[in-house]
Amino acid sequence: GEDVEQSLFLSVREGDSSVINCTYTDSSSTYLYWYKQEPGAGLQLLTYIFSNMDMKQDQRLTVLLNKKDKHLSLRIADTQTGDSAIYFCAESMNRDDKIIFGKGTRLHILP
Amino acid sequence: GAGVSQTPSNKVTEKGKYVELRCDPISGHTALYWYRQSLGQGPEFLIYFQGTGAADDSGLPNDRFFAVRPEGSVSTLKIQRTERGDSAVYLCASSLTSGGGEQYFGPGTRLTVT
Repeated sequence: GEDVEQSLFLSVREGDSSVINCTYTDSSSTYLYWYKQEPGAGLQLLTYIFSNMDMKQDQRLTVLLNKKDKHLSLRIADTQTGDSAIYFCAESMNRDDKIIFGKGTRLHILP
Repeated sequence: GAGVSQTPSNKVTEKGKYVELRCDPISGHTALYWYRQSLGQGPEFLIYFQGTGAADDSGLPNDRFFAVRPEGSVSTLKIQRTERGDSAVYLCASSLTSGGGEQYFGPGTRLTVT
């Protein structure tokens, strides 16, 4: 079945890099996503990667995909207090297909 | 431009009552999705509309849940005989398809069943 697993909590010092990891089970997943959810705000798509890619970089964000191990990671460089949020790893077969989400990783920023 | 809107933002109801949750997608978006997010969990897919028809309703938990989109725009999620376990944030998303497009999420409706 479809399942997405990620650690529930990560604590990082301001200015350091944050790395959030995720594993998924459905090898037919074509799109893999990272969403951000802040208190009182809706889900925001941060970035996504197509399954035939192994890396995608967008400003402070770097996504790495190991398709063989079904492992996805999100690296946030120079973590800021505004990055404090819950980050969801997610996957879908197609862009207009249902999205399967993990439980989310709460990123806490230490001063 | 306007994003996805959902009303009400909060709904408190008694166990056994009927509730309707409304979603206004982004204008021109043909695909509309409903998800449910329980406390401490990620969003869980409920149903997906392409135009007026339900393309995938495999996530509806039981026959107490029903959704409609009669004119291919606004959608209503209907829950009959509510139970305390139905308490969650109900999220709606829309996307511009076909060929796939990003799903834009609304702020959600927080449903509390007492």
